[in-house]
Amino acid sequence: AQSVTQLDSHVSVSEGTPVLLRCNYSSSYSPSLFWYVQHPNKGLQLLLKYTSAATLVKGINGFEAEFKKSETSFHLTKPSAHMSDAAEYFCVVSEYTGGGNKLTFGTGTQLKVEL
Amino acid sequence: SQTIHQWPATLVQPVGSPLSLECTVEGTSNPNLYWYRQAAGRGLQLLFYSVGIGQISSEVPQNLSASRPQDRQFILSSKKLLLSDSGFYLCAWSVPDSGRAADTQYFGPGTRLTVL
Repeated sequence: AQSVTQLDSHVSVSEGTPVLLRCNYSSSYSPSLFWYVQHPNKGLQLLLKYTSAATLVKGINGFEAEFKKSETSFHLTKPSAHMSDAAEYFCVVSEYTGGGNKLTFGTGTQLKVEL
Repeated sequence: SQTIHQWPATLVQPVGSPLSLECTVEGTSNPNLYWYRQAAGRGLQLLFYSVGIGQISSEVPQNLSASRPQDRQFILSSKKLLLSDSGFYLCAWSVPDSGRAADTQYFGPGTRLTVL
């Protein structure tokens, strides 16, 4: 069975400083991994995904994530936080079930950006 | 381009009342469709998925059911709501039948359900 652990439920940074949101995964085979962002009372928006190509994945809004198999990690980073980045972030692992792909979500990390 | 709609956006219902939430997708044919629930302070839980009209798979036993009466329409229902059914319900779609775990799921705007 696959699982995802987001190591921090809340992260607070100052505007203009780097962002690091941590994620560890467990999967019995080569995983597909995603990061989604959710603004309050909104649906989820895809930030980026890893699909066994390049281990460093670039996404929208300046975010990127690095797949490290030896550490079973897929941490999300951004060099400089913006106020608009304040939201909840979900790390997700996917497996194909034969009837669509099944996503397993982490419990989320709430990112707060302060002036 | 593809668009996914959900309605209503918010709903307040008494315990024991019925429920019907609707999701429609535009701009694609025979999508895979999914219903998720997000309870307060928790991640998303997959409730149902469908690979075609009338084909529904349930992930967890619960007080809810799903139906797919048309290709791009997915409905979540309940005959009698419980307090524990409160939450944020999200519908999603993905490219049909590509057979890959890497397929992206695209989410709708969600329905906030409060059961009192």
